[in-house]
This record gives sequence, structure tokens and C-alpha cells, in this order.
Amino acid sequence: GESVGLHLPTLSVQEGDNSIINCAYSNSASDYFIWYKQESGKGPQFIIDIRSNMDKRQGQRVTVLLNKTVKHLSLQIAATQPGDSAVYFCAETFGNEKLTFGTGTRLTIIP
Amino acid sequence: NAGVMQNPRHLVRRRGQEARLRCSPMKGHSHVYWYRQLPEEGLKFMVYLQKENIIDESGMPKERFSAEFPKEGPSILRIQQVVRGDSAAYFCASSPFAGGSTGANVLTFGAGSRLTVL
Repeated sequence: GESVGLHLPTLSVQEGDNSIINCAYSNSASDYFIWYKQESGKGPQFIIDIRSNMDKRQGQRVTVLLNKTVKHLSLQIAATQPGDSAVYFCAETFGNEKLTFGTGTRLTIIP
Repeated sequence: NAGVMQNPRHLVRRRGQEARLRCSPMKGHSHVYWYRQLPEEGLKFMVYLQKENIIDESGMPKERFSAEFPKEGPSILRIQQVVRGDSAAYFCASSPFAGGSTGANVLTFGAGSRLTVL
């Protein structure tokens, strides 16, 4: 499944499938990007980050892709599990400035 | 390490009352950020503090809101004369480093304080 971020804030994916969550960021000068996961009633939890001099970074079951040309960021989650159900936020920053968060996408894993 | 501790977790106030939200950063963290989150929305930056100093308050409403991070004790976000529009979740995050790009991967969020104004 695929989300277009701000315009489609809900994404449902079958357990075991891969999911892609998209984010359009606003500041072309941003040089650092982070994905956060927020479970119900909890604070955001760091998932993965990427600097602007890279276009791809992989973690455990997650991959972040950065396309600076169109100011687009995506989070790929492989082999989704029920525990992946949460709201996912992208965040951007420039230099040592504060983080600016996107609206978020709610990911629901269907058993 | 208990992480970032916020209290109260839930706070109910009537219009016109004051709300005080507290944040104890992680041990060794001297940088504190406050964010506000409305239902179904992202987090909006409010203020960035270091011990005894407000570094960036560009996201803080000019009236009724104030924040402090004293030499001893937790950081406090204070909202005077609350209105219904203040109802939100308020998150605190702490970091051992300054700013986002050097510290985001160690920026730790608390569980938030949920303010409801009746």
C-alpha cells in the first residue's frame, strides 16, 4: 500500500505486506530528516533519519528514501507486523534549528 | 534511566484557570523542547530552552503562555487563563545536544500531558 501523506492520512496494510508512507516537506534548505512513530497515548519515537547528502538509508525493516528534487521523503516498512500500527510523522530541520513536523499518516495493520 | 518524565499526564481545567505542565529531562540532557499537538495533527514547535535560558520561543503564543527551565528542577510550561483552544497534548523532548540536526537521533520525547479545557 502507498500513502500520499498530507492528502491521505490513513493507510491500511495486510500483515506481512510492505508499506510505504510518503511525506512532502516544505523547506528546500532542510538538511536533515527524521521519521517518528507515535503510538496511541505515547510520545513520538525515533525510527530512522537521513541527511540531505544521501538519498537512501536502511535500518532494521525500515528504509527511508529522500528525493530533494521534488522535496519528497518516504518510509518503507518491510513485512509489517501488528506492532507497526501507529501514526508516522516525518520531520525536517535545517542546521541546528528546531524540528518541523508533517501532519502524519495513520498506519493500520490488518491481521 | 527513567526517560523524559512529564506530569501531569492528564489535566482538566475550566476556562480562565491556569495550567502548569512539568517536564523532567533525561539525566544528562540540558536542552528541552516543548511541542503542542492538536488531535489528528502533527507536533508544532513552541519553545526551546536550556538551563535558565530561553533560546527560541518563536512558536509560543505571545500572550498567556510562558516557559522556564530553572537551574534546579523541571522545565515548566505555564498557560494562564486557559481557553478551549488550548486543549491539546503538550510534549516535551530533551537532548544532550543543541538543535535538531545534531541531536534528533537522541532527542527523546516524553509521553505528553493532555490538557482539556472545559
